[in-house]
Amino acid sequence: DAGVTQSPTHLIKTRGQHVTLRCSPISGHKSVSWYQQVLGQGPQFIFQYYEKEERGRGNFPDRFSARQFPNYSSELNVNALLLGDSALYLCASRLQGRPYEQYFGPGTRLTVT
Amino acid sequence: LAKTTQPISMDSYEGQEVNITCSHNNIATNDYITWYQQFPSQGPRFIIQGYKTKVTNEVASLFIPADRKSSTLSLPRVSLSDTAVYYCLVGDSGAGSYQLTFGKGTKLSVIP
Repeated sequence: DAGVTQSPTHLIKTRGQHVTLRCSPISGHKSVSWYQQVLGQGPQFIFQYYEKEERGRGNFPDRFSARQFPNYSSELNVNALLLGDSALYLCASRLQGRPYEQYFGPGTRLTVT
Repeated sequence: LAKTTQPISMDSYEGQEVNITCSHNNIATNDYITWYQQFPSQGPRFIIQGYKTKVTNEVASLFIPADRKSSTLSLPRVSLSDTAVYYCLVGDSGAGSYQLTFGKGTKLSVIP
């Protein structure tokens, strides 16, 4: 079975630009979460979506937004990129009823210059 | 939020059993304890989850004392491929979001 997939793998952007990251969950998983991981730190929660509705939001500015599509895939959008947005962005999916057992994708490495 | 405290790093020789202890003094009644493993440049991988006493799977064992204020992840006979960061998490179900709150984790280095 395919795991969580994310695209692109790597991305280089310039300050002030916009970026869209994509995630496809494991088949049958309706919940998708996004995390940001900077070097040397654990992943930090950004958003959770379930059945196309936002169910949780972490402490991130409004420049960060996300959405989930009818096929349960998801996009994370970041506007007005800052150097500090450089990080590994992780997507995770899970089954309903198993909230703490999340399956992570390989991540998208974003570099802002 | 139930905060967790775990050692920053640990070293172990191949073939030894490794025990990583995590403190979570203010764990809530409904919280579960979950451990993840992360290799460099990869997403975290779910290892094991428990509520109380002992849980064992094909990868690890999780020991939780009666007061649930700590937990110990036990990795039997580690190999070089077990070198990774291990995160202890306590379930945060605030507002139904079930977000995972990661700390800095424990960096385990397995030595030949």
